[in-house]
Amino acid sequence: AQSVTQLDSQVPVFEEAPVELRCNYSSSVSVYLFWYVQYPNQGLQLLLKYLSGSTLVKGINGFEAEFNKSQTSFHLRKPSVHISDTAEYFCAVSPYNTDKLIFGTGTRLQVFP
Amino acid sequence: DAGITQSPRHKVTETGTPVTLRCHQTENHRYMYWYRQDPGHGLRLIHYSYGVKDTDKGEVSDGYSVSRSKTEDFLLTLESATSSQTSVYFCAISGGAGYGNTIYFGEGSWLTVV
Repeated sequence: AQSVTQLDSQVPVFEEAPVELRCNYSSSVSVYLFWYVQYPNQGLQLLLKYLSGSTLVKGINGFEAEFNKSQTSFHLRKPSVHISDTAEYFCAVSPYNTDKLIFGTGTRLQVFP
Repeated sequence: DAGITQSPRHKVTETGTPVTLRCHQTENHRYMYWYRQDPGHGLRLIHYSYGVKDTDKGEVSDGYSVSRSKTEDFLLTLESATSSQTSVYFCAISGGAGYGNTIYFGEGSWLTVV
């Protein structure tokens, strides 16, 4: 079985500050890794994904994430956040050959002016 | 944006009544999913489909059934709605490995059971 842990339910940060949203996973098989963003009253939008290759993945809106296999982590980072980054962020894993996503419980990023 | 349309977008219904949510896609993707989103739980998979008339249960399937008679449509039915099924329901689609294993989501259907 697989599970995804997002330890921080809320992350407050000031505009232009850096931010890191943490994601750890547990799986007995290899997985693909994803970060999605959800703006209020909207669906989920893919930020970035790791399938293979370079462990540093760049996504939309200036976000990036690094896959660390030994620590089973896939933390999301942005060097300078904007007010418009205020949203909920979900980490998810997809075990190889299953075509299903297992989500963490989400982290609400609140950016203050 | 992925061509996914969910209907209805908002619905209020009474306990014990049947409810059907519809998901329509224009991408001709093989895989379709229904998730529910609840505070503190993230998104949880209800049912999914890997082809016409091929469906399987997710982690929270009790009280729900699905049908897929055409590639483009995936229906989620609550046979007898309960208050615990008040939630936001998201349909999602995927083309599988050939499409980068990415799952795309619809805009959601807000269901309130009173």
